[in-house]
Amino acid sequence: DIQMTQSPSSLSASVGDRVTITCRASQGISSYLAWFQQKPGKAPKSLIYAASSLQSGVPSKFSGSGSGTDFTLTISSLQPEDFATYYCQQYDSYPLTFGGGTKVEIK
Amino acid sequence: QVQLVQSGAEVKKPGASVKVSCKASGYTFTSYGISWVRQAPGQGLEWMGWISRNNGNTKYAQNLQGRVTMITDTSTSTAYMELRSLRSDDTAVYYCARGEAADYWGQGTLVTVSS
Repeated sequence: DIQMTQSPSSLSASVGDRVTITCRASQGISSYLAWFQQKPGKAPKSLIYAASSLQSGVPSKFSGSGSGTDFTLTISSLQPEDFATYYCQQYDSYPLTFGGGTKVEIK
Repeated sequence: QVQLVQSGAEVKKPGASVKVSCKASGYTFTSYGISWVRQAPGQGLEWMGWISRNNGNTKYAQNLQGRVTMITDTSTSTAYMELRSLRSDDTAVYYCARGEAADYWGQGTLVTVSS
């Protein structure tokens, strides 16, 4: 199985900060990587697919990059509505696997 | 607009079975498979399995093999996930999502397993 390791597991940031979350796959997954945002009590929401493609309707402050084993999600200017938990997921091979999540909190 | 609407919350006793439905609308159901993901209280996301868009081919998580079945009814654009021999650690919110990249999600179904 492909292990997905996210870092950090949590971070504190201020409104307006640039935030970067990393996701590392235990083996190459090409660009078969998605990023999700989840707020408490809500279903996850897709932000990025194919490592760097922005999902329709998602603001351009979110961006994804990487291929192979190393990936990043960047929020260019953190806003109050961005405080949430973020997950990566590989969909290169079965079983599909998620990272452990990164909780973004207000500093 | 794309919507996945799941069935309501369930309370089950250990050893029982649960069947969660996921009704799709706003797109051609047979153009995408359906993924199922669960989330135990306070925990991360766990992939449970996937059913293909047309021929019903399935892939299940190893730890659920033998207890889970996923099917689709193309006549009603509905996917179903049945989990049997429920245990207390199956207590979770269960989600369906469109495709392997999970671009749209259902609202979630809370399944509580308790004696």
